[in-house]
Amino acid sequence: NAGVTQTPKFQVLKTGQSMTLQCAQDMNHEYMSWYRQDPGMGLRLIHYSVGAGITDQGEVPNGYNVSRSTTEDFPLRLLSAAPSQTSVYFCASTPGRGQMNTGELFFGEGSRLTVL
Amino acid sequence: AQSVTQPDIHITVSEGASLELRCNYSYGATPYLFWYVQSPGQGLQLLLKYFSGDTLVQGIKGFEAEFKRSQSSFNLRKPSVHWSDAAEYFCAVVGGSQGNLIFGKGTKLSVKP
Repeated sequence: NAGVTQTPKFQVLKTGQSMTLQCAQDMNHEYMSWYRQDPGMGLRLIHYSVGAGITDQGEVPNGYNVSRSTTEDFPLRLLSAAPSQTSVYFCASTPGRGQMNTGELFFGEGSRLTVL
Repeated sequence: AQSVTQPDIHITVSEGASLELRCNYSYGATPYLFWYVQSPGQGLQLLLKYFSGDTLVQGIKGFEAEFKRSQSSFNLRKPSVHWSDAAEYFCAVVGGSQGNLIFGKGTKLSVKP
């Protein structure tokens, strides 16, 4: 079973470049989210979506855009990368519209981004 | 606002010793609480969760956690640690209007042979 698939696993960007982190899930989950993980900071929510066509901001949305045109895909876009966006990014999904449904987020393996 | 505090950044225990990882939460009502584990280079995996009912919950890999409302705590325990338990552990609480997960900053567990 594929679960949650993130690409690329590693990426190096220069300041000002743009890129998209891809996230796809094959479990027909309604809820999808993006977190960033930084040393000593835990995981912080960037954006989330409770279904196709619906997105909302999390704790640290600045500098990131998302869209949800299908149930399966939830790409994260960096329009103009900055060194502060150097981080490990995780995509996660769950059935229903939030963690209160099953209580379990299913995570991808992460995408490590370095911005020079 | 809801929040989670994990007071210990890094803990080292000997293999076979018992383990307790601390988690304190801030939440007005009955919280939905979770423990996740992250092995190096991997995503997070759910260990256990508490929604309601019995305050002692059992999880995978021999872990358990106890919800104590009076202490606003949800500590993770394991009676005998194995070398494969070396990982980073995150406590989390459901918060906000949309029920998103709010994570603590994590506790890194090292296991001595």
